[in-house]
Amino acid sequence: QQQVKQSPQSLIVQKGGISIINCAYENTAFDYFPWYQQFPGKGPALLIAIRPDVSEKKEGRFTISFNKSAKQFSLHIMDSQPGDSATYFCAASPEGNLIFGKGTKLSVKP
Amino acid sequence: GAVVSQHPSWVICKSGTSVKIECRSLDFQATTMFWYRQFPKQSLMLMATSNEGSKATYEQGVEKDKFLINHASLTLSTLTVTSAHPEDSSFYICSVRTPGPNSPLHFGNGTRLTVT
Repeated sequence: QQQVKQSPQSLIVQKGGISIINCAYENTAFDYFPWYQQFPGKGPALLIAIRPDVSEKKEGRFTISFNKSAKQFSLHIMDSQPGDSATYFCAASPEGNLIFGKGTKLSVKP
Repeated sequence: GAVVSQHPSWVICKSGTSVKIECRSLDFQATTMFWYRQFPKQSLMLMATSNEGSKATYEQGVEKDKFLINHASLTLSTLTVTSAHPEDSSFYICSVRTPGPNSPLHFGNGTRLTVT
C-alpha cells in the first residue's frame, strides 16, 4: 500500500498548547518520514524528518515520534504559537519520490 | 536560503493557450526534478519526474502530451501546460533533492495557474 493516512484534517489549539498530528503508513519499505509546513500560496517547507532507526527526533519546539511496529509517526508542536498556523503534511518515501498525507490545517488561537 | 526558484508565481491565461512554468535549482546541479500539483485544500500529487537529458517519467493518469516537461540543463526544468482548460487551474510546485545520501526534498514556492 502506498498510502499515508494523516489525521486530524483540521486542528485548533490555544497559544502555548501542544499540537499533535498523526500519520500512519502500510508499506514497510518506507524509510524516510518528513514533515512539511505550508503557508497559503507558498510551497511546502521541510520542517523536520526522521528515519526508522530512531524513535524520536526533536528540533526546537518540533518533535517527531516514530513507532515502527505500529507503522505510525506523529508531529508534536510544543508551545504552539499563532505563527505556527499553517497546513502540515506528513510524507513517506521508500526511495526517491515522496507520498504525502492529505494535510492538517492547524490554527493556533491567541 | 532558497534552494529552488520557480517562475512565475502566478499566471492567468485563456482557455486553449499554453503556459510555461520554470523551475531552477539555485545552489547545485539537479539531474532530477519533480513536478507536483495541488488542488485547493488538498495534498500534493506527483505529476512527473523530470530527468536531465532524457524523457520525463509521468505518473499514472497524467497526460504527457498535455503537460510537457523539458529538463534541458542541470539547473532548469520547465513544465508547459498545453491547450489549457479551466480544469487545469491548480497550484503547480516543483522540487529538487539536494545532493548526497538521505537528502531532503526542497520545494519551490509554486505557481498558481488560473485558466479562464
